[in-house]
Amino acid sequence: GAGVSQSPRYKVTKRGQDVALRCDPISGHVSLYWYRQALGQGPEFLTYFNYEAQQDKSGLPNDRFSAERPEGSISTLTIQRTEQRDSAMYRCASSLGTVNSPLHFGNGTRLTVT
Amino acid sequence: AQRVTQPEKLLSVFKGAPVELKCNYSYSGSPELFWYVQYSRQRLQLLLRHISRESIKGFTADLNKGETSFHLKKPFAQEEDSAMYYCATLNQGGKLIFGQGTELSVKP
Repeated sequence: GAGVSQSPRYKVTKRGQDVALRCDPISGHVSLYWYRQALGQGPEFLTYFNYEAQQDKSGLPNDRFSAERPEGSISTLTIQRTEQRDSAMYRCASSLGTVNSPLHFGNGTRLTVT
Repeated sequence: AQRVTQPEKLLSVFKGAPVELKCNYSYSGSPELFWYVQYSRQRLQLLLRHISRESIKGFTADLNKGETSFHLKKPFAQEEDSAMYYCATLNQGGKLIFGQGTELSVKP
């Protein structure tokens, strides 16, 4: 594939609705990461996977946030009962998973909760 | 906890002037450090990493353990260097921790 693909590019939702953000990593990449970026801030780690196993979810802000990668490829980040403070750019990245292998980022999903 | 600090939110220089984007880290061991860049309307991408000791697009960054710094430098800035620059460090758990970013604006 050409690169990491995220969909949708933009999502506007009403407060209280659930949203699902999708990430399609580079083929063959073992590791997949989710980051959140508020305006004027750097990307903030949420969670990451090696293959289908969720290695670290310490960055998920609360239990409304969850992520899965059931077949070790595509991943979905789900936010339940969205709140306005969830509005941000959600970035996905993948890597080969070897030491020092760089992260390749997608274009991100801009989520706006009204 | 590991932390990366970029003290400048915005750095504005004229074309041809030297550039230094500051990055300080907190880590007691041997850090692994990176610079990522995001040009306008493009995705975040790796610029360089300290273990490679490389120069990319004229940029270099030297790890200074005494000052716990990894500043990004370029002797002569170009307009196309205008972008957001993020310093990042890899923690022991394999997570990439980013600084807040510095916007570099190179004026003609």
